[in-house]
Amino acid sequence: KAGVTQTPRYLIKTRGQQVTLSCSPISGHRSVSWYQQTPGQGLQFLFEYFSETQRNKGNFPGRFSGRQFSNSRSEMNVSTLELGDSALYLCASSLITGYAYEQYFGPGTRLTVT
Amino acid sequence: AQTVTQSQPEMSVQEAETVTLSCTYDTSESDYYLFWYKQPPSRQMILVIRQEAYKQQNATENRFSVNFQKAAKSFSLKISDSQLGDAAMYFCAYRSEETSGSRLTFGEGTQLTVNP
Repeated sequence: KAGVTQTPRYLIKTRGQQVTLSCSPISGHRSVSWYQQTPGQGLQFLFEYFSETQRNKGNFPGRFSGRQFSNSRSEMNVSTLELGDSALYLCASSLITGYAYEQYFGPGTRLTVT
Repeated sequence: AQTVTQSQPEMSVQEAETVTLSCTYDTSESDYYLFWYKQPPSRQMILVIRQEAYKQQNATENRFSVNFQKAAKSFSLKISDSQLGDAAMYFCAYRSEETSGSRLTFGEGTQLTVNP
């Protein structure tokens, strides 16, 4: 079974631009969560989508948004990029939300904002 | 809000020896899950071991075991017979059973070096 895939793997953007990152979960998984990883702030939860609905949201500004499609693929969008948005963005999928189901992480998208 | 603290930014161990990574957490909830994840240089997060708070028995996965002390809110990871491939950043994580779906709260991480 294929793992979680994220595209693109690397991205360089300029301040003020917007960016869209994509995450394809493991087949059959309906929950997708997004995390931001930076050296200063560590791993922080962005949001979770389950069955096309946002289930949970972390403490990030409204510039960060996401959505999930009917095939469970998810995208996150960051508008008006700032230098501090440079990070590794990880997505994780699980069969359903919560309970004891294991989350499987993708390889991440490395975003650099210049 | 829950918090997870890993007080050891770096640890090192000799190959074949045993090392213990520490983690403490703060929560007012009674039902939750605790995890240890490994992040090697490839940056791919890999689940090492999982502990359900309602289980008194400590989880074990091959060379990896935990010491879960619920009253003390402590969750340490013991790696036995350390191997070079164990070198990675290790993250302790908390997930609420009650409120937060699949949301994980991570500690700051411990960088483990394995010396040959």
